[in-house]
Amino acid sequence: GNSVTQMEGPVTLSEEAFLTINCTYTATGYPSLFWYVQYPGEGLQLLLKATKADDKGSNKGFEATYRKETTSFHLEKGSVQVSDSAVYFCALEGPNAGKSTFGDGTTLTVKP
Amino acid sequence: SQTIHQWPATLVQPVGSPLSLECTVEGTSNPNLYWYRQAAGRGLQLLFYSVGIGQISSEVPQNLSASRPQDRQFILSSKKLLLSDSGFYLCAWSVGQGGYTFGSGTRLTVV
Repeated sequence: GNSVTQMEGPVTLSEEAFLTINCTYTATGYPSLFWYVQYPGEGLQLLLKATKADDKGSNKGFEATYRKETTSFHLEKGSVQVSDSAVYFCALEGPNAGKSTFGDGTTLTVKP
Repeated sequence: SQTIHQWPATLVQPVGSPLSLECTVEGTSNPNLYWYRQAAGRGLQLLFYSVGIGQISSEVPQNLSASRPQDRQFILSSKKLLLSDSGFYLCAWSVGQGGYTFGSGTRLTVV
C-alpha cells in the first residue's frame, strides 16, 4: 500500500534560517504529492502540490520538487519567519484519487 | 467559492453522553468527504470517508459512526462517548486529485 515518511521533529530554527523537511513516499503508479500546513488550533491548509515527476510546487516562499527517482518531495524555504511556526504534513494521493495518505507531521518552531 | 463549515469549534461532553458533529460543504458537487481525528501532538487518523450519499467507509472500529444524508453534509456521531474519544476532529472534502480542503476543526474534550 501507499505510505509517507516524514522527517521527525520537532525542528527549531532561528529566523532567516534555511528550512528543509524531508518527505519520502511509497506508492504504486504515479501519485500526486502535497504539503499541508497546520497553524496552532486550526485545521490543515493546502500549502503546495505537484502532480507529476519533476514538477515543482511553490507557495509563500516554500518549494518542493517531485523526485520520482528518489521517491521524495522535500519541503524547502530559503528564509523562515516566526510566522512559519506550524506543523507540516506531507501527503500523497494515488492516481485513482480517493483517500490521501498522510505523514505523521513535523513541528517547526522558528525563534526570533 | 468553495467553503467548508464545521461546528461547533469546541465541545466539552461527559462520558456516556451522545455526540453529533456536523460538516457542510458549499460550492462543489459530489465531493469525497472525510472525518479525521488528531490526538494532541499526533498525526491524522482517518475515521470515515464517503464517496456519495449514504456511502460510508469506516477505517477504524470504534464507538463512532458517520452518516451522509445529503451530498454536501457529513455527520459524525456517537451514542455514548468514552474518555478516549477526546481529540481534535477534522472534516475535509476533495474532488479529483486537487488535494483536500479541511474545516477548522472541533476540539472535543470528554470529561
